[in-house]
This record gives sequence, C-alpha cells and structure tokens, in this order.
Amino acid sequence: EPEVTQTPSHQVTQMGQEVILRCVPISNHLYFYWYRQILGQKVEFLVSFYNNEISEKSEIFDDQFSVERPDGSNFTLKIRSTKLEDSAMYFCASSEEAQLLETQYFGPGTRLLVL
Amino acid sequence: GEDVEQSLFLSVREGDSSVINCTYTDSSSTYLYWYKQEPGAGLQLLTYIFSNMDMKQDQRLTVLLNKKDKHLSLRIADTQTGDSAIYFCAESFYNQGGKLIFGQGTELSVKP
Repeated sequence: EPEVTQTPSHQVTQMGQEVILRCVPISNHLYFYWYRQILGQKVEFLVSFYNNEISEKSEIFDDQFSVERPDGSNFTLKIRSTKLEDSAMYFCASSEEAQLLETQYFGPGTRLLVL
Repeated sequence: GEDVEQSLFLSVREGDSSVINCTYTDSSSTYLYWYKQEPGAGLQLLTYIFSNMDMKQDQRLTVLLNKKDKHLSLRIADTQTGDSAIYFCAESFYNQGGKLIFGQGTELSVKP
C-alpha cells in the first residue's frame, strides 16, 4: 500500500540553525500538508499546499517557515532560524483532493529537537 | 474559535467496550473524524461522520454525534490489545483548504 514517508525520523539542531524536513507524499496526490505536535499538546495545522502555492496557513506558519515542492516527489518544510519552541513532532500529509472527506494520509513524523 | 478537547487517557480490559469522548467548540464543522496513531506510525483515518448525522456504525466502531452538546464519541466494541494506540478526534470546515483541527489525543491502553 502506498504511504507517505518522512526523513529524517529524528533531528537535533542548535537554536538559530536552519532545518529542512522532507516528505515524499503518495505519488498521485496533489494536496500536501504539514502539521506539528508539541509534546503533550495537540496536533496543529501549519500549512496546505497545492499547485505550487500555499492554499491555507495557520498563525503559526510565520516568515520563519516555508514550504517547497522542489521536484516531482519531495515536499519540504524549512524553518529558517529555529527557536526552542519549534521542538515538536512534524507530520506531513497528502491527499488526492482538498475536498472535505478526502482522506489525508499521514507520514510517521519527524521529531525535531532544538537545543 | 476552533477548539477540540479530549481526555488524555483511557484504560480498559480486553473484551470490554471502550468509549473515547471529544468536545468541540465550532459548530460550523462539516465533518468530524477519528484518527488512530500507533507507536512510530503516522495518523490513520479510522472513521468519520458528517455533521448532520447522529450515528455511524462501522464494524466494531460506533460514532455518536450530539450536535447540540458539541460532543463526539467513538465506541470500540470488544476491545483488543491491538487497539492500544492514541486516538485523535478532528474536524474540518468548508472552504478551508482541507485543514484539520485536532484534539490532543486519547491514549487507549488495553489490558489482557
């Protein structure tokens, strides 16, 4: 069964460093998402992306964050200058459509620790 | 604003029924979902209910929606040890780019 993959599974970085989290969505999917979950807190929506554009973004997704689909398979989340509070599990998801009820398939997550 | 709340833990014995509860604040949600997360894995969609329905049954899973009280529940009949996981309630809204609003997850522990 096709699945969303994410690399790395864990990343440790120093405050102020740039990180790039990578995702390979399911191949025929057109809509891509990033969510994050700070330890002990809720899974929070960050951004949705379609046709090389951001469709929707949350208040969390400020100028420090960016997303890109650099080629036909990868979808990346970049954090330009990491802060301690960026430590979280980051989930990528993809779906065929962005219609309601269109199942979003989630990757296993990247655990980011900012020291 | 949009907010979804769940209790954090539930422990049941194998063979019993489990009931996981969720409350939400924004009644304009269109669909409500239950996702399951097993250790080391992503979130897997278990079931969903359209906001104008009261109940949906899918094999061992029963979803109940009380729109007046903004309360959603997931009942798992004959709970098995393989059902041990974190269960997330989520809602979506029309015309918001597919955004899902999640609760914090309920960790279900099934004891043999």
